[in-house]
Amino acid sequence: RKEVEQDPGPFNVPEGATVAFNCTYSNSASQSFFWYRQDCRKEPKLLMSVYSSGNEDGRFTAQLNRASQYISLLIRDSKLSDSATYLCVVNPNAGNNRKLIWGLGTSLAVNP
Amino acid sequence: DVKVTQSSRYLVKRTGEKVFLECVQDMDHENMFWYRQDPGLGLRLIYFSYDVKMKEKGDIPEGYSVSREKKERFSLILESASTNQTSMYLCASAVGVHEQYFGPGTRLTVT
Repeated sequence: RKEVEQDPGPFNVPEGATVAFNCTYSNSASQSFFWYRQDCRKEPKLLMSVYSSGNEDGRFTAQLNRASQYISLLIRDSKLSDSATYLCVVNPNAGNNRKLIWGLGTSLAVNP
Repeated sequence: DVKVTQSSRYLVKRTGEKVFLECVQDMDHENMFWYRQDPGLGLRLIYFSYDVKMKEKGDIPEGYSVSREKKERFSLILESASTNQTSMYLCASAVGVHEQYFGPGTRLTVT
């Protein structure tokens, strides 16, 4: 089993739709979780951290389910500019570990 | 505004050449990272540095070395380039490890 798994997609949705991605991780001791966004031919950028209590940033909501070992990202009212690849990232250990585990990404295309 | 720059956007080298990829950050970050990104394999960590002259191997260090003589600059060296090192190379910097700021990437082709 891969350490971090994502559905590669692509997810094709119309503008205004709500779309959700899941990401599963294998190490139950993993401490922290993140979503990065990568536009086509661009570098990854941090979108949001994922906290145990869940967190929301505008149209984006991230949640963590430790029992089932997955994190999710929900995008409401999709915009054309949301088209990108969304990378799930896991820090498998606590403390000063500097190695993140990167998922392969889920591709989203928002269509007019 | 946060800035990470890489010396080249595109680079073409011949097999056996020594290749230097430079990365500079202006955020006074302690940690710097070199990744390569390949279709179907995602981002893979080559090396990282947590201080000047300090480095640690990532997941795929073979065929690469690094240098960090100044805090703002982290260099990746391919001692003898091979065709399987054709890839997108991404440099990143961070205060800790989570919020990594990436440079625009260098697309290296080895022929």
